[in-house]
This record gives sequence, structure tokens and C-alpha cells, in this order.
Amino acid sequence: DAGITQSPRHKVTETGTPVTLRCHQTENHRYMYWYRQDPGHGLRLIHYSYGVKDTDKGEVSDGYSVSRSKTEDFLLTLESATSSQTSVYFCAISDGRVRGSNQPQHFGDGTRLSIL
Amino acid sequence: GDSVTQMEGPVTLSEEAFLTINCTYTATGYPSLFWYVQYPGEGLQLLLKATKADDKGSNKGFEATYRKETTSFHLEKGSVQVSDSAVYFCALLTDSWGKLQFGAGTQVVVTP
Repeated sequence: DAGITQSPRHKVTETGTPVTLRCHQTENHRYMYWYRQDPGHGLRLIHYSYGVKDTDKGEVSDGYSVSRSKTEDFLLTLESATSSQTSVYFCAISDGRVRGSNQPQHFGDGTRLSIL
Repeated sequence: GDSVTQMEGPVTLSEEAFLTINCTYTATGYPSLFWYVQYPGEGLQLLLKATKADDKGSNKGFEATYRKETTSFHLEKGSVQVSDSAVYFCALLTDSWGKLQFGAGTQVVVTP
């Protein structure tokens, strides 16, 4: 299994508070992704990164920001959490050594976030 | 834009039954197609993939064939086990950044 660790695994917080989720990988993969999983929607891409300090927005990026200061860490921040951001968040990585190489993504075990 | 449509679940089967999960897609160009599986409390795992038309992906008794003419990538297994109970996601990859477009997922429940 790919070495991906998400933390925390579970979190309950209140509306309006800032929240940061961490994804740590030991595979030295170049590409990292944050998805959210909601019933009826599958997984939807929030943000992705194709290298240190190189990030871009995905399909549902409003209300989220990311940072990647090291290859191994990709942080997702909810600046002011809202109840609509209650979800399960997954981090994924892919090799990306060759652009367009179609390497499949490997997923972490997820963070269950509840915003009351 | 690109999209993936899967049959809705849950799909409930008896052990040793035949399983089919339909997946169709809309995409420009020639996407790679994937099936992922998610067991309870876990992340997604790649089950199989196909990168061009008429390719057949297979793994653990599951198969799917990339049909360009019908824009489909249906997942099949001839004899399911209780351990196959999970949520199955069809996905397509169309760009060079590795971004995946997922279907909504299909829950499969296999009873003894």
C-alpha cells in the first residue's frame, strides 16, 4: 500500500472555526490531490498540487485553500468552516514522473469532518 | 464537461451470483478509465483500468472492457463473494495532471 497518512482521522468542530487537514506521503510522489466524498456525488476534486508551491483549483474549491511547502505534505484549510463542508475528505497521490503518464492515484483512508 | 454515470445502488446479491455495474461516460478526447473499490472505513483502491478502446482490465475476478462506441466501461464478476461487499466507483482521467472524474458510486451488498 502507498504510504499516505491523513490526520486527523475524525474531527468535530463548530461553524466559523478554522480547520486544517494534513496529508503526509512517504512515496516522494509529485502530484497530490484533495477530494471530498458526499452521498450521491462520488468524489469531487477540491484542489491539487503538481509540485512544491504549485497548486491549482479543482471542481469545488470555494471555501478551501491549500499549501504545499514540502513534497511530502499537502495541507487543506477551511478558513471559516460551514455546515456544508461536513464531509469525508480524501487525499490522493500519483507518481506524475512523466506528465500525462496516466498513473492511477493512491488514496489515504480519509478524514471524517463534522461541522456543527 | 466530462462526466461519469453509474447505476444507482444498493445492489444486493447472493453469494456466487453474477455482478454487473453499468458505467457510461461523456468526455472529449480519449480518456483512460478506472474502477475503484472502497471497503467500509477505508480509502479507495484501484481495482482495474483500461487506457484505450477495446482494452480489457481485470483483477481479482473482476473485468471491464473499454467500449468507445457505446462510451461504456461496465464492471462484471462471474461469482461474487461476501468479501466483495463494498462501494464501487467508475472514474475517468482526461488531462495530463492526473485529475479524476468520478461517478457517484454503487454500493454492492453480497449476502451469504
